[in-house]
Order: sequence, then C-alpha cells, then structure tokens
Amino acid sequence: SQTIHQWPATLVQPVGSPLSLECTVEGTSNPNLYWYRQAAGRGLQLLFYSVGIGQISSEVPQNLSASRPQDRQFILSSKKLLLSDSGFYLCASRPHGGLMEKLFFGSGTQLSVL
Amino acid sequence: KQEVTQIPAALSVPEGENLVLNCSFTDSAIYNLQWFRQDPGKGLTSLLLIQSSQREQTSGRLNASLDKSSGRSTLYIAASQPGDSATYLCAVGSGNTPLVFGKGTRLSVIA
Repeated sequence: SQTIHQWPATLVQPVGSPLSLECTVEGTSNPNLYWYRQAAGRGLQLLFYSVGIGQISSEVPQNLSASRPQDRQFILSSKKLLLSDSGFYLCASRPHGGLMEKLFFGSGTQLSVL
Repeated sequence: KQEVTQIPAALSVPEGENLVLNCSFTDSAIYNLQWFRQDPGKGLTSLLLIQSSQREQTSGRLNASLDKSSGRSTLYIAASQPGDSATYLCAVGSGNTPLVFGKGTRLSVIA
C-alpha cells in the first residue's frame, strides 16, 4: 500500500510570509495527488489535484498554488499568507486512473497564521 | 453537484453499545463510497471502501452498507470501545472527479 509523507507536522507563520508544504508518496507510480484543507467546523475542502507531472487543477480560487515537479512529489505554496489560510492541510494519493481504489492520506500539517 | 451529509454531527454512547453512523448523498451516480476515521490532529485512515456494485463491506467490528438508489450509506460499529472515539467521515467518488466528503460525525464512546 501507499505511504504518504508530509512535513512539517506543525507550522506557525506570520501574516505575509511565504509558505511551502511538501508531500511525497511511496509505494505507487503516477498517482493522482490531492491537497485538502480542513478548517474547524467546515469539513474537508479540496484545494488542488494533479493527475500527472506539471498538471494541476485548482478547485478554489485563493492565494495558494500547487506544483508537481516530480511524479511522487506535490508542493503547496503561497507567496504571502493570510490569516484565513490557517488550517489543517492534508495531502492524499490514489492510484492513477484507479477510480475503484482507496484514497490514502498523509498525517497532515497544522498551519497557524498569526 | 454532489453533496454529502452526515447526521448526527456528534454522538456519545456508552461502551459496549452497537451504533450506526449515517451518510447521505444527492447524486446516486457514484463509483464508490469510502468511510474514513480521523483522530484529533491526525490524518484520515481509510476504514472501508464499497464499490457501487456492492451492498456492504465488513472489517472486524465494522460493517458499511450502501443503498445507491436512495443515496444512503451506514457504518455499523458493533460492541463499541473507547478506542473507537474519533471523527468518522464518508466520501463518495463519481467518475474521474475527486472524492466529495461529508463533514463527519464525532463519536465519543464513554467507558
């Protein structure tokens, strides 16, 4: 099965500072990759997903961006963080084209923007 | 647009009780439905995956059922234990679009 590595586990950043969260996947090739955000009382919100290197789909317009420089690497970035960017960020992976397959999650990054 | 609802939002039961968590979805044209468990401050752990052609899946004390025509799924937990305390989320997959999640049910099992 897949293993998803996310880091850091927690992050405290000032408003206006940049952000880079990294996610790497082991145990599969050419996966579909996802970034979700979970804010208190709001459930899981899909931010970005990628079906291949350099292919990014954005679900919600915002000051965040995502990149996929390698097959099993997915990066979430921001040039200037806002207070509203605080939340729990989760990376997820599913086999490419595997509509019948399970979605696996990393352990998440708790981001606090102060 | 697919919408997933989980009721209740929170549930508290005494240890040993059998319980049912509910999940409903608006568009019955789904490929599969997945139940997850999330402990506080942690990622999601997949519990059960039910394909659209299946009626139920079982893993240990957990049993998930799917009724596509009525847009409903249930997660049955037998003989609940304090270690079952967590938030349980369901998510539906339709076509090649990403999963759509419910907001979850927060379960507390009291010893």
